[in-house]
Amino acid sequence: KQEVTQIPAALSVPEGENLVLNCSFTDSAIYNLQWFRQDPGKGLTSLLLIQSSQREQTSGRLNASLDKSSGRSTLYIAASQPGDSATYLCAVKKAAGNKLTFGGGTRVLVKP
Amino acid sequence: DAGVTQSPTHLIKTRGQQVTLRCSPKSGHDTVSWYQQALGQGPQFIFQYYEEEERQRGNFPDRFSGHQFPNYSSELNVNALLLGDSALYLCASSLAVTGELFFGEGSRLTVL
Repeated sequence: KQEVTQIPAALSVPEGENLVLNCSFTDSAIYNLQWFRQDPGKGLTSLLLIQSSQREQTSGRLNASLDKSSGRSTLYIAASQPGDSATYLCAVKKAAGNKLTFGGGTRVLVKP
Repeated sequence: DAGVTQSPTHLIKTRGQQVTLRCSPKSGHDTVSWYQQALGQGPQFIFQYYEEEERQRGNFPDRFSGHQFPNYSSELNVNALLLGDSALYLCASSLAVTGELFFGEGSRLTVL
């Protein structure tokens, strides 16, 4: 059974500092991994999707890496801003069309 | 291009009642999945619908049932509500072959 863990559960940084968010999964046989952002009481916004054959994906200030063999993904957010404050969730999919298995999320606070 | 839309956004029920939540997928998507997110936790997969049939199901009791219509929209029904059913219910749509899920804003259910 796939298990996804995100540590730490909460993180507070001063504005301008780079953010590093970790995600680990127990079964390396994944189809893809997705990072989401969730604002309080809201739905999920997809940030980056990494296919199993890829090592990283980039979008603006965001960069996500994937190391399947070690069961890890890292989301980097450069030069954090107060607007980056949110909960960040990672999720893995075992096969195309299959369900997503989510981690518990990391709640991020960027202080001005 | 409308994204995934869900209704209602908030609702309050009492124990033992029944509830129906609705979801319209993103234009062009044919697969709908439902997730339950308890406060402070990651979403948990309930079930997935494709071609009007339940294709996969998570670890949820039979009180949770669903339906997909010919226009790909979907309903989630929960019978005999329990206090523990209080959660944010998220609908996600996708093309079955691409794997990327797009989420709606969710329906917040409170059971008293």
